[in-house]
Amino acid sequence: GAGVSQTPSNKVTEKGKYVELRCDPISGHTALYWYRQSLGQGPEFLIYFQGTGAADDSGLPNDRFFAVRPEGSVSTLKIQRTERGDSAVYLCASSPLGQSTDTQYFGPGTRLTVL
Amino acid sequence: GDSVTQMEGPVTLSEEAFLTINCTYTATGYPSLFWYVQYPGEGLQLLLKATKADDKGSNKGFEATYRKETTSFHLEKGSVQVSDSAVYFCALSSEASGSRLTFGEGTQLTVNP
Repeated sequence: GAGVSQTPSNKVTEKGKYVELRCDPISGHTALYWYRQSLGQGPEFLIYFQGTGAADDSGLPNDRFFAVRPEGSVSTLKIQRTERGDSAVYLCASSPLGQSTDTQYFGPGTRLTVL
Repeated sequence: GDSVTQMEGPVTLSEEAFLTINCTYTATGYPSLFWYVQYPGEGLQLLLKATKADDKGSNKGFEATYRKETTSFHLEKGSVQVSDSAVYFCALSSEASGSRLTFGEGTQLTVNP
């Protein structure tokens, strides 16, 4: 079956602009996660959705970052007033139930470059 | 909070050599432990996992045993191949931290023919 998909695969923007990154999880997975991976580092947690609600947004670095999942499926990560330090690969993952024993399935990522 | 420490890399081996990548963790409660792999140009994929103490995860000739007494989950393979060249990430997830994954920094493995 289809895996997790993310669009766009690459996004180049200018400092100060607004960007939206999209994630389409595996059908039927109730849990959806966003992570950010900087070069040479492991992924870092940003936010976790259980259904339509954000169960944990403690990883969002500041109020320029916001994410939604209005129908419990597709999610959008929104970044306002982008800064050069936001440049990274943004990863989305989904899991069946959001339990700690679940395998999280990752998408290919969106590489964001802020000039 | 939760944390994962991986051995420093990169690691370079010859084909058919024995591989160990060390991973230790700090967590509240009883986490589940994972090894993810990132092949060149590809996304993160699960290699193996263990969800309780003394469990052994295995896949593609790789193994790791959940050792609660030493808080470790070392990855091993008896005979590596060139196709095993990738970045390997140790990670944990716990109910106390809301099932998020906490990753180590990754270990770059290069296997030469």
